[in-house]
Amino acid sequence: NAGVTQTPKFQVLKTGQSMTLQCAQDMNHNSMYWYRQDPGMGLRLIYYSASEGTTDKGEVPNGYNVSRLNKREFSLRLESAAPSQTSVYFCASRPDRGLAGVHEQYFGPGTRLTVT
Amino acid sequence: AQKITQTQPGMFVQEKEAVTLDCTYDTSDPSYGLFWYKQPSSGEMIFLIYQGSYDQQNATEGRYSLNFQKARKSANLVISASQLGDSAMYFCAMRVPGSARQLTFGSGTQLTVLP
Repeated sequence: NAGVTQTPKFQVLKTGQSMTLQCAQDMNHNSMYWYRQDPGMGLRLIYYSASEGTTDKGEVPNGYNVSRLNKREFSLRLESAAPSQTSVYFCASRPDRGLAGVHEQYFGPGTRLTVT
Repeated sequence: AQKITQTQPGMFVQEKEAVTLDCTYDTSDPSYGLFWYKQPSSGEMIFLIYQGSYDQQNATEGRYSLNFQKARKSANLVISASQLGDSAMYFCAMRVPGSARQLTFGSGTQLTVLP
């Protein structure tokens, strides 16, 4: 099991460029999430997907779009990158029924994005 | 709205000593879950421990225990016998019921274990 994988690990964009961050999980989880981590602010939810074919906005969705391509994959797209989107992006997935009802989220290794 | 507060941006502890990392939370929902994650310098998020709002006992996982005081809305992480490898950022998070069961995170505490 690879768990949750993310590509790329690092990316530098110029303002106005677009890119897609890829995320995949091999644990057969229905729920998947995209967070961003900024210094001093913890992780904040951008978008989530409770099941294949559904997506919903989180706390900070502006400037992003997502696609739940299938049960395994959940991508995050920046259509026109801005310096304010410089951050570390984490993808996560969650089982419907975890051990002892814990339902903890499993995180990918993160993508460090810099927008100049 | 749910909120998690971690008031200690940084903490130091001597190797082999115990340390408590503070976390307070705010929610009006009676059913919630509290999590602690560790983030070492390599960047990955590692799940440590979980406490459900209806759990009668404080959660323990090896050297980690959660001091859950429901009336005070606090969920402090206690690490016993600190090791150098415990140096990392620690995040407290809360999950509330709903279709997404997303997590709300605190701002984190950077723990440094001194030899």
